[in-house]
Amino acid sequence: NAGVTQTPKFQVLKTGQSMTLQCAQDMNHNSMYWYRQDPGMGLRLIYYSASEGTTDKGEVPNGYNVSRLNKREFSLRLESAAPSQTSVYFCASSGPRQGGSYEQYFGPGTRLTVT
Amino acid sequence: EDKVVQSPLSLVVHEGDTVTLNCSYEVTNFRSLLWYKQEKKAPTFLFMLTSSGIEKKSGRLSSILDKKELFSILNITATQTGDSAVYLCAVTQGGSEKLVFGKGTKLTVNP
Repeated sequence: NAGVTQTPKFQVLKTGQSMTLQCAQDMNHNSMYWYRQDPGMGLRLIYYSASEGTTDKGEVPNGYNVSRLNKREFSLRLESAAPSQTSVYFCASSGPRQGGSYEQYFGPGTRLTVT
Repeated sequence: EDKVVQSPLSLVVHEGDTVTLNCSYEVTNFRSLLWYKQEKKAPTFLFMLTSSGIEKKSGRLSSILDKKELFSILNITATQTGDSAVYLCAVTQGGSEKLVFGKGTKLTVNP
């Protein structure tokens, strides 16, 4: 039971390049999320998916696209990377627990640098 | 606009001290408040609070929620260097699993 996995762990891009961050979970959760974390800013939601086949914008969606490929996988794509997208990206998933709580489980993160 | 405010933003203590971290929130249709600990990598879950006045406890860590005054505290007693981390507070709102995070409190425990 690996929980939430992300690839790659580190990436350096040049401005204008594109890339896709991959995320998978093996907890049979319905909901998945992408966050970015910048110094002093906490975690900010980029996109989320409440179930397979649905996606919605979060707080900072500009410059990103997502795909909920199936129940397990949720990818984040940067079509034309910009230095402002230098950040640590976390994927998370959640599903109902006993008592109706929905704590989120986080992946290990991807450190992205755009030069 | 919904918001979650944590204080202090950073705190430096000595081993053995007791610390209290604060989280206040202003969100519509509040459902639950969560605390996470983040060391070098991913946040790890500590507590979820949904009811006022009921303390959640795990070892030296405890937390309580006040839904009337819209805040929560996280207490850590007899701190150890391994408690050094960023502590994140987040809230959920009814009908959604999305988390709204505060900016975190960076705790440094010196030997």
